[in-house]
Amino acid sequence: EDQVTQSPEALRLQEGESSSLNCSYTVSGLRGLFWYRQDPGKGPEFLFTLYSAGEEKEKERLKATLTKKESFLHITAPKPEDSATYLCAVRGTSYGKLTFGQGTILTVHP
Amino acid sequence: GAGVSQSPRYKVAKRGQDVALRCDPISGHVSLFWYQQALGQGPEFLTYFQNEAQLDKSGLPSDRFFAERPEGSVSTLKIQRTQQEDSAVYLCASSPRQDTQYFGPGTRLTVL
Repeated sequence: EDQVTQSPEALRLQEGESSSLNCSYTVSGLRGLFWYRQDPGKGPEFLFTLYSAGEEKEKERLKATLTKKESFLHITAPKPEDSATYLCAVRGTSYGKLTFGQGTILTVHP
Repeated sequence: GAGVSQSPRYKVAKRGQDVALRCDPISGHVSLFWYQQALGQGPEFLTYFQNEAQLDKSGLPSDRFFAERPEGSVSTLKIQRTQQEDSAVYLCASSPRQDTQYFGPGTRLTVL
């Protein structure tokens, strides 16, 4: 059974204070690791897909990296508008279904 | 272009009532997924369609849950005889193939 664990559960940062979110996973036959952002009352918004260990992707202040056991979402010089819940998910060999972690609630104070 | 849309956005039901939740996927997307998200948790898979075929329904929690996509486009998730534990946000996602999934805004179901 695919499993995803995210840490920390919540993270409070000052504006400009860089940090990282962790996503540990076990999956039989990784077909992709996905990062989503979710704002209150909205559906998850796609950020990145990573497929193989060593892969990295960047978008504005966010950078996602992947190893064989975990992924990191690095946030550089965050702004208050980066405040949201960040979800990590994996796709294994069971058709296209995603298995999600519980999310990390990020709060960035001005 | 338009994203995934869901209706209604909010639904309040009395215990024992039947409800129907609608999903309009992105035009041309072959794959459609339903997820259930409890408060403070990540989404959990319910079921998957490829065109009109329901290929995986392993996540449906009971036989009170039923989903269909008769023409390979719009999908409906139906819950019969709703219970309080069915209260959650129901998310729909679509993708071109087995690719990135794009989510709708969700339907928040409250069962009293």
